[in-house]
Amino acid sequence: QSALTQPPSVSGSPGQSVTISCTGTSSDIGTYNRVSWFQQPPGTAPKLMLYQVGDRPSGVPDRFSGSKSGNTASLTISGLQPEDEADYYCSSYTSSSTLVFGGGTKLSVL
Amino acid sequence: QVQLVQSGAEVKKPGASVKVSCKTSGYPFTSYYIHWVRQAPGQGLEWVGKVNSRDGGTNSAQNFQGRVTMTRDTSATTVYLELSSLRSDDTAVYFCARDGGSGSFFTPKNWGQGTLVTVSP
Repeated sequence: QSALTQPPSVSGSPGQSVTISCTGTSSDIGTYNRVSWFQQPPGTAPKLMLYQVGDRPSGVPDRFSGSKSGNTASLTISGLQPEDEADYYCSSYTSSSTLVFGGGTKLSVL
Repeated sequence: QVQLVQSGAEVKKPGASVKVSCKTSGYPFTSYYIHWVRQAPGQGLEWVGKVNSRDGGTNSAQNFQGRVTMTRDTSATTVYLELSSLRSDDTAVYFCARDGGSGSFFTPKNWGQGTLVTVSP
């Protein structure tokens, strides 16, 4: 199972919106809505930000939203804040009953 | 509250095995899968596998099949990951994570602090 494809880096200024894409195949994102997004500041464990494409766990700001079209899922962060600077990873359930992660995207808040 | 506390850092020689533990608390242990995820230095997240805490059934990524053993001790509410025939590229932080459960299966929701495994001659 190959990793999902994410852009290596994205950037934005405070207050702006950014979108991070996550491209898979018909064996994962294209068939299942079990897509999650994780935030990982340096030296820390990942934190779940979105699950089931666009659902937010308790405590995650509504500035974080998710969507999916075909084999590609997207994470949008609106009203960027300095504390949003981190690595972001997507994951998806697969037809092999496994989980696959994306390669990660470094978000810089300029 | 849900807590996952992992065992301490390990240093192993190539060819050896390592066993990492993940002590859970704050929820009904047998009701949730536990995932294992690793992260090599400076690299991304890689799913290793999962264990069904109720019946001990496991799934693992193809890359690890034959080398990984995941077990659980229900009385101790603890899950274990054992990786054998270690190579230098197994050097990584290994995380355990509790699944989201009903309505969000295959969602690693609550994470342990990570265990650094270093493989070096």
